[in-house]
Amino acid sequence: GQQVMQIPQYQHVQEGEDFTTYCNSSTTLSNIQWYKQRPGGHPVFLIQLVKSGEVKKQKRLTFQFGEAKKNSSLHITATQTTDVGTYFCFNSGGSNYKLTFGKGTLLTVNP
Amino acid sequence: KAGVTQTPRYLIKTRGQQVTLSCSPISGHRSVSWYQQTPGQGLQFLFEYFSETQRNKGNFPGRFSGRQFSNSRSEMNVSTLELGDSALYLCASSLDPGRTSGANVLTFGAGSRLTVL
Repeated sequence: GQQVMQIPQYQHVQEGEDFTTYCNSSTTLSNIQWYKQRPGGHPVFLIQLVKSGEVKKQKRLTFQFGEAKKNSSLHITATQTTDVGTYFCFNSGGSNYKLTFGKGTLLTVNP
Repeated sequence: KAGVTQTPRYLIKTRGQQVTLSCSPISGHRSVSWYQQTPGQGLQFLFEYFSETQRNKGNFPGRFSGRQFSNSRSEMNVSTLELGDSALYLCASSLDPGRTSGANVLTFGAGSRLTVL
């Protein structure tokens, strides 16, 4: 079945530092979505990427979809304590799809 | 509009018992998918229902089952509970996760936290 690998599993940064999480697949993805789950909360949709090489920005967050549509990244510039949480990449869609989440990257920010 | 509602929010069961969890999706959403979340394994896909039909199933034993009603509400059942079933069970609704468009965005409920003693 389709596997979506996400690294790193954990990342601790000082407030103001940058942060990046990566999502990789062995097969071509029809799309990639990113979700954020705050501690004690539930995943919340951030963004979806569909096109090869696509780049989208949301304030300090930059999302990229690889040219081969097999990898994606989420980059946060100048982290803040409000960025704390687990970031998941997610793939849906395509024939015979499985709804596959990466294992997530837990980001902690030291103020 | 109302979000995704899961009940109960917390429950404690003992080994061997069974449990039923409920999920009411956002009005108009025909797809409900279920996930098990544990600290070591992240979010694992259980199954997805669309218009009362199970369209996809993850790699879980037959003790895990589900169904969807005509009003799109869904239930999942776990029989013969084991200690390892302790987890947060999340459901998510969407218009159709099989499409590559905004229709495939998942909206999650707050989850049902199951503890098996």
